[in-house]
Amino acid sequence: QPVLTQSSSASASLGSSVKLTCTLSSGHSSYIIAWHQQQPGKAPRYLMKLEGSGSYNKGSGVPDRFSGSSSGADRYLTISNLQSEDEADYYCETWDSNTRMGVFGGGTKLTVL
Amino acid sequence: QVQLVQSGAEVKKPGASVKVSCKASGYTFTSYGISWVRQAPGQGLEWMGWISAYNGNTNYAQKLQGRVTMTTDTSTSTAYMELRSLRSDDTAVYYCARDHLLPTGVDYWGQGTLVTVSS
Repeated sequence: QPVLTQSSSASASLGSSVKLTCTLSSGHSSYIIAWHQQQPGKAPRYLMKLEGSGSYNKGSGVPDRFSGSSSGADRYLTISNLQSEDEADYYCETWDSNTRMGVFGGGTKLTVL
Repeated sequence: QVQLVQSGAEVKKPGASVKVSCKASGYTFTSYGISWVRQAPGQGLEWMGWISAYNGNTNYAQKLQGRVTMTTDTSTSTAYMELRSLRSDDTAVYYCARDHLLPTGVDYWGQGTLVTVSS
């Protein structure tokens, strides 16, 4: 069963960029992940699916400011030109095709200064 | 547009059961699956399980095995999640989310249903 590790918090200034990291556990570095955003008091929202190659597919209506990239076991979500509405919790998700089980990372709370 | 609309908030006593519904629209229900995810107050997301709306196959998180049952009604494009023998630590917001015919990541979320377990 894969494990996803995320930093608990991050911060960046309005208008700047931030790169959030989700790290896959040993033996699972090739796994595809998904990124989700959860604004305060709201349901999560799907942002994108991200492959180990760095290729990603964004959900409907996700702004161009959101992009993904990969390096080894690390999966990144980059948010450019940060806006106040980007202040949210960001979760990564993956799944094990053998056990058909899903798993979420612990989430990163992003503060926009 | 894809929509998942869940049933309203519930208050239950310890030991009781709760059944949450999730009505799907805007896509062919039987071409996808539904995953259920919960979030305890102030905590992160926890994957609970998945059901294929095509054939009813299910997969549940190990910690919930024996207490949870996921079903679908294809005639109404509705998914259900029943959790039994409720405990106080089952207090959470429960989300349904569209997944695929195998669990490969969710892409649309319901609005959430708060279930409070309290004596």
